[in-house]
Amino acid sequence: DVKVTQSSRYLVKRTGEKVFLECVQDMDHENMFWYRQDPGLGLRLIYFSYDVKMKEKGDIPEGYSVSREKKERFSLILESASTNQTSMYLCASSLTSEAFFGQGTRLTVV
Amino acid sequence: GENVEQHPSTLSVQEGDSAVIKCTYSDSASNYFPWYKQELGKRPQLIIDIRSNVGEKKDQRIAVTLNKTAKHFSLHITETQPEDSAVYFCAASPADSSYKLIFGSGTRLLVRP
Repeated sequence: DVKVTQSSRYLVKRTGEKVFLECVQDMDHENMFWYRQDPGLGLRLIYFSYDVKMKEKGDIPEGYSVSREKKERFSLILESASTNQTSMYLCASSLTSEAFFGQGTRLTVV
Repeated sequence: GENVEQHPSTLSVQEGDSAVIKCTYSDSASNYFPWYKQELGKRPQLIIDIRSNVGEKKDQRIAVTLNKTAKHFSLHITETQPEDSAVYFCAASPADSSYKLIFGSGTRLLVRP
């Protein structure tokens, strides 16, 4: 059973803070993704990675960066959190087509 | 890049009726179209998918159809049950990136008992 685990379920941060969202998968998947989910906007791709140390921008990368130092771990970084980054963040991994999602991190920036 | 539009945003049906959710995509070279179901408070999970070399696929009460010419695909749920109530997302995989998924905006389906 594929397991994608996000480090926090709920997070509250202050404006301007540097925020790290961590994601770990245990199925040796090559591909990992970060999405944000907002009502009426669906799942929007922030960044993705095909391999260790490789990363590509998705549709809404502004204000975010990522790190993939190990195959099983993909981190999303908010360099300076802003209130418009309050959202649900979903990590996913895949080997080929099917994406397996983590449980999500609800981030509130105050 | 690829753009996926999904309709309707909300859908309410009586238990036992059918539900249809429609999506259109912009990249004619996209070749993989999955559907995900997200129950309240849970993670999205794949329920059915279709590839561009197939026109229709069925799995018990759910089916997906694909019209490549018109660049749209649909999810059909027959004999709906209360446990079908959830948010459904369609997605498309762009040709320039086989594993990346671009999602639609989601449809909240409510099945009334």
